[in-house]
Amino acid sequence: EAQVTQNPRYLITVTGKKLTVTCSQNMNHEYMSWYRQDPGLGLRQIYYSMNVEVTDKGDVPEGYKVSRKEKRNFPLILESPSPNQTSLYFCASSLHPGLAGVPMVFGPGTRLTVL
Amino acid sequence: ELKVEQNPLFLSMQEGKNYTIYCNYSTTSDRLYWYRQDPGKSLESLFVLLSNGAVKQEGRLMASLDTKARLSTLHITAAVHDLSATYFCAVEFHPYNNNDMRFGAGTRLTVKP
Repeated sequence: EAQVTQNPRYLITVTGKKLTVTCSQNMNHEYMSWYRQDPGLGLRQIYYSMNVEVTDKGDVPEGYKVSRKEKRNFPLILESPSPNQTSLYFCASSLHPGLAGVPMVFGPGTRLTVL
Repeated sequence: ELKVEQNPLFLSMQEGKNYTIYCNYSTTSDRLYWYRQDPGKSLESLFVLLSNGAVKQEGRLMASLDTKARLSTLHITAAVHDLSATYFCAVEFHPYNNNDMRFGAGTRLTVKP
């Protein structure tokens, strides 16, 4: 089944404890992206990747890191999480950036709570 | 500035009624997407609108795009409980290969019996 998977789905952690949320897609998509969803703010992009080894900041990159060493994986790293990073996180992918008419495929989400 | 505004943000409807959700955006685009999110779930693609005047329909939902007015609408006809969800519009802005996509804040729809 074509899909985007994320792990973990739920995570409660404490301030300052480094964590990684994994994202993997099996559709050979070039483009991958991380979003956070907060009430009333919709989805805001954290980082995106146009292809392997090509990443760039989205609208809210502070406090996050990413890497894209393989086409299928795009982990999100919080080096020193803080309570304002408590949110619902989505990874998404699409075949090619700018390809018309191809919506993104979203992962199931990771609900992160930072105490 | 690239902005996408949806309204209303919250919508409570009676079953059987009609209503429209609006999605306005700030600058040139003819690529607009509608997604649905069920509570506690991920986003699923509903419609892709790629030209001025584009109209797509699926069941009780119909989406349209007016690029001159920079407006898309999602019309709900004879609402049923199963349509309760949050609906997002997302707009790709020029140049299309530059990752300039923005989401609206979402419209949380509740359909009551």
